[in-house]
Amino acid sequence: SAVISQKPSRDICQRGTSLTIQCQVDSQVTMMFWYRQQPGQSLTLIATANQGSEATYESGFVIDKFPISRPNLTFSTLTVSNMSPEDSSIYLCSVGRTGSFADTQYFGPGTRLTVL
Amino acid sequence: AQSVAQPEDQVNVAEGNPLTVKCTYSVSGNPYLFWYVQYPNRGLQFLLKYITGDNLVKGSYGFEAEFNKSQTSFHLKKPSALVSDSALYFCAVRSFSGNTPLVFGKGTRLSVIA
Repeated sequence: SAVISQKPSRDICQRGTSLTIQCQVDSQVTMMFWYRQQPGQSLTLIATANQGSEATYESGFVIDKFPISRPNLTFSTLTVSNMSPEDSSIYLCSVGRTGSFADTQYFGPGTRLTVL
Repeated sequence: AQSVAQPEDQVNVAEGNPLTVKCTYSVSGNPYLFWYVQYPNRGLQFLLKYITGDNLVKGSYGFEAEFNKSQTSFHLKKPSALVSDSALYFCAVRSFSGNTPLVFGKGTRLSVIA
C-alpha cells in the first residue's frame, strides 16, 4: 500500500480566493490523480498528474481553474482558483504505483473545503 | 465508456446477519473491479479487487465479492455484519487498457443496527 498525506485537512475560504492542496506520498508512484467529492456525491476525477508532463484534465475541468503541479514522483499540488461556494467539496489525492491495469489506487484522507 | 451502478442508496442490516451491497458495471473488454469503504471524515480505504482468476475474491475485514461476468455484477458480501461496518461503500471499475484511473459508482450507505 501507500501512505498518503494531504495538507490542509480542511479549510474555510472566501469567495474569489485560491487554495493550494498538497499531496505527499511515502514512496515513488507512477500515477497521481485528483478527485472531487461533492457533498453526498460520489467521486469525480478532476485530472491525472504525471511527473514531467502536463496534467490531463477530465471533461468539465480546466487548467485555469484547477492548476496542478507534479514536480517529482512523491508530491503533487492541486490549486482551486477563484473559488465560489460551488467548489465546496472534499478533494482527494489518489495514487497508483505502477499504472498497470491491476494497480490498486490508494487515497489520501482528503481536504474538506468550504467556500463562503 | 466505463460505468458503475450501485442501485441502492442505503442498505440496512441487523448485526450478525449477512450483508450484500450490489454493484453492476459496464466496460469495453475485461473489467477490473474494486471495492472501497469510506468512514465518516476519512478518505477511501481499499477493501478488495478482482483482476482475473477465481470469481470469489476475499478482502479486508472479512469482506468478499463475487464476480459474475454474465450478469456484469460484482456484489460485496459479508457473512456476519458488525456495527463497525456501517460506512459508505463504493464500487469502482477500470477498463482493460490500464493506465486509466478508476471510475466510481455513486456509493451505498450501509447501516448495521445492533
